[in-house]
Amino acid sequence: NAGVTQTPKFRILKIGQSMTLQCTQDMNHNYMYWYRQDPGMGLKLIYYSVGAGITDKGEVPNGYNVSRSTTEDFPLRLELAAPSQTSVYFCASSRGTGGVYEQYFGPGTRLTVT
Amino acid sequence: QQQVKQSPQSLIVQKGGIPIINCAYENTAFDYFPWYQQFPGKGPALLIAIRPDVSEKKEGRFTISFNKSAKQFSLHIMDSQPGDSATYFCAASKQTGANNLFFGTGTRLTVIP
Repeated sequence: NAGVTQTPKFRILKIGQSMTLQCTQDMNHNYMYWYRQDPGMGLKLIYYSVGAGITDKGEVPNGYNVSRSTTEDFPLRLELAAPSQTSVYFCASSRGTGGVYEQYFGPGTRLTVT
Repeated sequence: QQQVKQSPQSLIVQKGGIPIINCAYENTAFDYFPWYQQFPGKGPALLIAIRPDVSEKKEGRFTISFNKSAKQFSLHIMDSQPGDSATYFCAASKQTGANNLFFGTGTRLTVIP
């Protein structure tokens, strides 16, 4: 199993550009998450999904959109990139509901908006 | 608002020392407290977790101590090794409902040989 994979690894965007961060998991997990990690701030939840076709906002959803058309894929869309979106983005998945289920993280995408 | 407060921000210990990382939370609805370990360039990975019905949990050299009345928990690393050098995040969530983790701000640990 590859686990959780993310592409691209690095990206530089100009202000106002848009892009999609890709996330795929091969563990047949129903639950998937997007986090951003800023220095000294820990990880903040952007969006999560409890299954195909179902998504919901986390702590910091503004400026982002998600979709979940399949169990495996959970792309994150930035429509109008802003410098405040410079961060490292992590996708994660888990088998079940409730905090007891381990979240498996991908390797991250480092995004710079200039 | 930071739901989980973590300290210190960074920690340097000699090999064999016992680094201690502390976390505190306010929301009494939290009932699951995992610790994640992150190496540079990698995503976080679950290290150890505790439920509030116990005061301590050990897995190998890693121990979580939990104080429910104080709403605090801490990670102790026994006989620390240079390979333990990483960033450690505490987190909190509820055992039921959506599996949304609230992370602390992280502690960068350096173990000097």
